[in-house]
Amino acid sequence: VQLVESGGGLVQPGGSLRLSCAASGFTFSSYDMHWVRQSAGKGLEWVSGIGTAGDTYYPGSVKGRFAISRENAKKSLFLQMDSLRAGDTAVYYCARDGGSGEWYFDLWGRGTLVTVSS
Amino acid sequence: QSVLTQPPSVSAAPGQKVTISCSGSSSNIGNNYVSWYQQLPGTAPKLLIYDNYKRPSGIPDRFSGSKSGTSATLGITGLQTGDEADYYCGTWDGSLRAAVFGGGTQLTVL
Repeated sequence: VQLVESGGGLVQPGGSLRLSCAASGFTFSSYDMHWVRQSAGKGLEWVSGIGTAGDTYYPGSVKGRFAISRENAKKSLFLQMDSLRAGDTAVYYCARDGGSGEWYFDLWGRGTLVTVSS
Repeated sequence: QSVLTQPPSVSAAPGQKVTISCSGSSSNIGNNYVSWYQQLPGTAPKLLIYDNYKRPSGIPDRFSGSKSGTSATLGITGLQTGDEADYYCGTWDGSLRAAVFGGGTQLTVL
């Protein structure tokens, strides 16, 4: 049972990046999924969630710039990030919702680092 | 500034007990379940407590959670050096319509 993120890297301010998360060992389509980020030396910040029916949720800080999506057949979660800013620099974690929208995260990936800098 | 307030650090000796507080409001802790996470240095967060007090399988009963009103508490008994980590509380905020976390508490086992 694991989640493996990929797609991080260095991007210029205003640029775009697409993160991926590969799930294995559980019935991916049955779980809500999320992205949570952590800036260096800072705390956790939830950045998006997607339900089993494809309904999406975002905090105000990324709404309109980030888009979460999923492809159940490939057990994959994605995060399209546009209009990136320096403040978006962080490790991005893929996380599984433990209880059908109960908003706790019972499985986490190792994370992928996104650096926004010129 | 995090929505949920945690002390930046706590410390205690091996074998002792420590509690970590998490303070919020009626829009978050007051009307929603609280979860707690442990983040060991250089690793991803790990779920310790969900639904205020429940432990996932594999989490020892040295870890406990409670909630009262708009505050929650994580308790750790029989402290071990391996418990040194950052601990975060989390919940849903109905006003912000967002999942929110505390700023984290660094536990030092002296």
